[in-house]
Amino acid sequence: SQQGEEDPQALSIQEGENATMNCSYKTSINNLQWYRQNSGRGLVHLILIRSNEREKHSGRLRVTLDTSKKSSSLLITASRAADTASYFCATDGSNTGKLIFGQGTTLQVKP
Amino acid sequence: DTAVSQTPKYLVTQMGNDKSIKCEQNLGHDTMYWYKQDSKKFLKIMFSYNNKELIINETVPNRFSPKSPDKAHLNLHINSLELGDSAVYFCASSQAGSSYGYTFGSGTRLTVV
Repeated sequence: SQQGEEDPQALSIQEGENATMNCSYKTSINNLQWYRQNSGRGLVHLILIRSNEREKHSGRLRVTLDTSKKSSSLLITASRAADTASYFCATDGSNTGKLIFGQGTTLQVKP
Repeated sequence: DTAVSQTPKYLVTQMGNDKSIKCEQNLGHDTMYWYKQDSKKFLKIMFSYNNKELIINETVPNRFSPKSPDKAHLNLHINSLELGDSAVYFCASSQAGSSYGYTFGSGTRLTVV
């Protein structure tokens, strides 16, 4: 069953602006991960945040996690045209390493 | 060097045929996965192997049979292909479960006509 729901489904911004994507999930988790998928390509792991962490940074990426609200957000600052892709959140709530993916947010960054 | 490689990249075949997709990882990861991505980009796990042992087997038609000859390889064989099997199939690997994230292959686009 699908665990995560992402919002918005699609986002279009100008280069240089910030992009924020949100993810909500239903059950308890060990960690939550964000992935990027360029058109016609595989998924690339961006960042992992554990259930006992509240915020994590990696370059221009900032991820927050609120386990009380069962939600996470991904912020991409100073976006570039190369950031155009689909972004997925994925949750790990088991001991088997099984990731359940959200439906994704399609981001378009216009030059 | 490609970390997770899948072959073939594209596969077009007729209904009723049997086909296989191969996956190899050179990362030394213990766990490998097959995911199916539908036309709406929804990703669903199908199978997972840890050191050649099946640990996840989701509700998938038994026409789909995974096989892991060693921990670096995970193949997917599909019997009696149906139109609804058309999708992109991704292989992935990880170390120690998903704590360090998955590494995905570039996908196999299967089209059943």
